[in-house]
Amino acid sequence: DVKVTQSSRYLVKRTGEKVFLECVQDMDHENMFWYRQDPGLGLRLIYFSYDVKMKEKGDIPEGYSVSREKKERFSLILESASTNQTSMYLCASSFGRGPQHFGDGTRLSIL
Amino acid sequence: EDKVVQSPLSLVVHEGDTVTLNCSYEVTNFRSLLWYKQEKKAPTFLFMLTSSGIEKKSGRLSSILDKKELFSILNITATQTGDSAVYLCAVEGGSNYKLTFGKGTLLTVNP
Repeated sequence: DVKVTQSSRYLVKRTGEKVFLECVQDMDHENMFWYRQDPGLGLRLIYFSYDVKMKEKGDIPEGYSVSREKKERFSLILESASTNQTSMYLCASSFGRGPQHFGDGTRLSIL
Repeated sequence: EDKVVQSPLSLVVHEGDTVTLNCSYEVTNFRSLLWYKQEKKAPTFLFMLTSSGIEKKSGRLSSILDKKELFSILNITATQTGDSAVYLCAVEGGSNYKLTFGKGTLLTVNP
């Protein structure tokens, strides 16, 4: 079974802080993704990566950056957190054109 | 812009009922359509459909894709309270691995 692990289930940070969300997968998948999920808006893609050190913007990259230094790890960075980044963040990974498998999510609150 | 529309947005049924969830899409260079089930946390993968008219089945759940009419249905027979969840439809199109999600259908199965 694919295991996608997100470092925190719940996180509370303050406006202006730099925030790191970590995601690790154990299936040697080359593709990794970061989404946010908001009521009424569904899942929206922030960034994705095809391979180590490669990244592509998704639909809503503003205010975010990512890092993929190792194949199994994909980090989402909020450079200067703002209240409108309060959300559920979901990481996913996939192999080739196979289905994406999701982590349990991080519920992030920015105060 | 790729678009996925799910209907109904919510549905309440009694145990034992059969339900049909709908997903229509507009996407450039369609590659696949996926169904996920989301309870409290991670969306869990149900089906991936790439070919028209071929039914995918897993226990009481089944799904079929119509590429001509650009829609898919997810059927659940003999529903149980454990089927209560948000069901998400997503479509992969274009030259990358990006998924576009619908807003989901909230299914509530009452005893």
